[in-house]
Amino acid sequence: EVQVLESGGGLVQPGGSLRLSCAASGFTFSGYGMNWVRQAPGKGLEWVSGISISGDSTYYGDSVKGRFTISRDKFKNTLYLQMNSLGAEDTAVYYCARVNWNDKHAFDIWGQGTMVTVSS
Amino acid sequence: QSALTQPRSVSGSPGQSVTISCTGTSSDVGGYNYVSWYQQHPGKAPKLMIYHVTKRPSGVPDRVSGSKSGSTASLTISGLQPEDEADYYCCSFAGSYWAFGGGTKLTVL
Repeated sequence: EVQVLESGGGLVQPGGSLRLSCAASGFTFSGYGMNWVRQAPGKGLEWVSGISISGDSTYYGDSVKGRFTISRDKFKNTLYLQMNSLGAEDTAVYYCARVNWNDKHAFDIWGQGTMVTVSS
Repeated sequence: QSALTQPRSVSGSPGQSVTISCTGTSSDVGGYNYVSWYQQHPGKAPKLMIYHVTKRPSGVPDRVSGSKSGSTASLTISGLQPEDEADYYCCSFAGSYWAFGGGTKLTVL
């Protein structure tokens, strides 16, 4: 079964750091772009960051640029999001989502999400 | 980086049709055919419903359709069913980022 599974969420104090992981299975991980999309409680979807198939190119939303770092490990079939200098505005469910640049050019596979709460 | 504009809510009775609009600019919706739509039920992950403006992934019923005119995309659901009640989000590639709409809550009366 094609799926992605996020982990690493939790409660963190303002100014703290957290690293999210996304384990991919059922497809050739190295053949897809990967992204993080978040959703604050009661709010809409916000694209956070994306990484190219090779991992050489990374992209960030304005609200996280300079604080978050996306990366991927092709040997572990895992996507990461290192989040630093966290603030209350970063509280959200973080979804890992796949983009097929050879086909749909859309987020065709989503994980179930991992909750990040920034609070003292 | 700008967000796309969607109506906050739409509603319709079972069997009727509803259309949700998604307005962007020439830098996103108007500039690319990489417009997609997602359905999200409460507490669940989003699900891809439309990609490339008009195409449906396998498993999405043909009463769901998409279109685009200039910088405005639209999602139409005909023959409304109770299970269509959900939040719907449009999304467009914008060159170096992805823009989402604010979401539209569809209520089936």
